[in-house]
Amino acid sequence: KNEVEQSPQNLTAQEGEFITINCSYSVGISALHWLQQHPGGGIVSLFMLSSGKKKHGRLIATINIQEKHSSLHITASHPRDSAVYICAVSSYNNNDMRFGAGTRLTVKP
Amino acid sequence: NAGVMQNPRHLVRRRGQEARLRCSPMKGHSHVYWYRQLPEEGLKFMVYLQKENIIDESGMPKERFSAEFPKEGPSILRIQQVVRGDSAAYFCASSPVSGTGVTLHFGNGTRLTVT
Repeated sequence: KNEVEQSPQNLTAQEGEFITINCSYSVGISALHWLQQHPGGGIVSLFMLSSGKKKHGRLIATINIQEKHSSLHITASHPRDSAVYICAVSSYNNNDMRFGAGTRLTVKP
Repeated sequence: NAGVMQNPRHLVRRRGQEARLRCSPMKGHSHVYWYRQLPEEGLKFMVYLQKENIIDESGMPKERFSAEFPKEGPSILRIQQVVRGDSAAYFCASSPVSGTGVTLHFGNGTRLTVT
């Protein structure tokens, strides 16, 4: 069983829909990261959080440490949000970062 | 301020050849991480370097793979005698300091194809 599990694997939405991507992990962590990988492959760090909730524009990330679960929400989704979203956790340092397999999001106009 | 620069973007090698992947971290960043993304799989940590030092190479195969981050110049990931199974996307990330509370900045990756 992977230490970081994401769901769903694939997600197709219509423009404007509210989107939720889930991440569960089985190890003790000190930080959880949400990354975005666009077609063409570049990776961008969206959020790093260790508790509570963070918001950036239309993106919201939450984490529940007790339940070992995090969610990434996208409000008013847009086709340019189409990408692979990756959840990653680290315990002591960035060199022990473990990654989920990613959620491929497609937003249709 | 340029981001993390990786080159080449695409690299094709025949089995048995050597592959050299380069990573220039963001200005002011002295910590470099290399990750591999196999087709249809998640990213996996390979090696963590600071200037002139390998800090953690626990994710790197023991044979054929090596990495360096010299005092001057980019970090290099070197794969000798490549095999088809080495075909993957290799990502480099950098940070100004170590620790889990630090955001990593990723490059666009090098896609290695072994024919």
